[in-house]
Amino acid sequence: SQTIHQWPATLVQPVGSPLSLECTVEGTSNPNLYWYRQAAGRGLQLLFYSVGIGQISSEVPQNLSASRPQDRQFILSSKKLLLSDSGFYLCAWSPKGYSNYGYTFGSGTRLTVV
Amino acid sequence: AQSVTQPDIHITVSEGASLELRCNYSYGATPYLFWYVQSPGQGLQLLLKYFSGDTLVQGIKGFEAEFKRSQSSFNLRKPSVHWSDAAEYFCAVGLKENSGAGSYQLTFGKGTKLSVIP
Repeated sequence: SQTIHQWPATLVQPVGSPLSLECTVEGTSNPNLYWYRQAAGRGLQLLFYSVGIGQISSEVPQNLSASRPQDRQFILSSKKLLLSDSGFYLCAWSPKGYSNYGYTFGSGTRLTVV
Repeated sequence: AQSVTQPDIHITVSEGASLELRCNYSYGATPYLFWYVQSPGQGLQLLLKYFSGDTLVQGIKGFEAEFKRSQSSFNLRKPSVHWSDAAEYFCAVGLKENSGAGSYQLTFGKGTKLSVIP
């Protein structure tokens, strides 16, 4: 069966420090991968999605970047964190071409920038 | 572009009472429709989905949802709420991109937070 792993679960970082959040998927190949951010009371905001290795689409201009160095690995990064980067970050995957499958989400990372 | 509206930001019900969470979408054709649940500090879990066929779909944890094309709605229901149902619920609409890459995106509503009174 397919599983998605996201870590760390919680992170407290100072302003101006770098960030790296990792997401990996097991039990499937060539998935679509997504990074979402959830700020309090603001629902889910799609940050990036990827349809393949090295292919990243950015939905929102911001202080963050994403990379997909391997088929089932998706990394969210920042060179210098801002206070506004605080939030709950969710990784998700979906299979290619099956729109009725929906997304499967990881358990999330709570990022607090201090 | 498609959109999803969940008109209720916060709903409070008593344990054992019935529940209906509203979801309306805007799109020119019938999209794929989903309901997700998120417990505090957790990721989103799929409750149920609709993509064709019977307009009343059953999901996990005793939830069901009914697709009404004429109203562009996909409301979530449960006949008797349990305290463990307290969570945030998200409705989502899915469409297949025409890029040929086989990718697609879900558009999520802003969520409805459910509180349950014991």
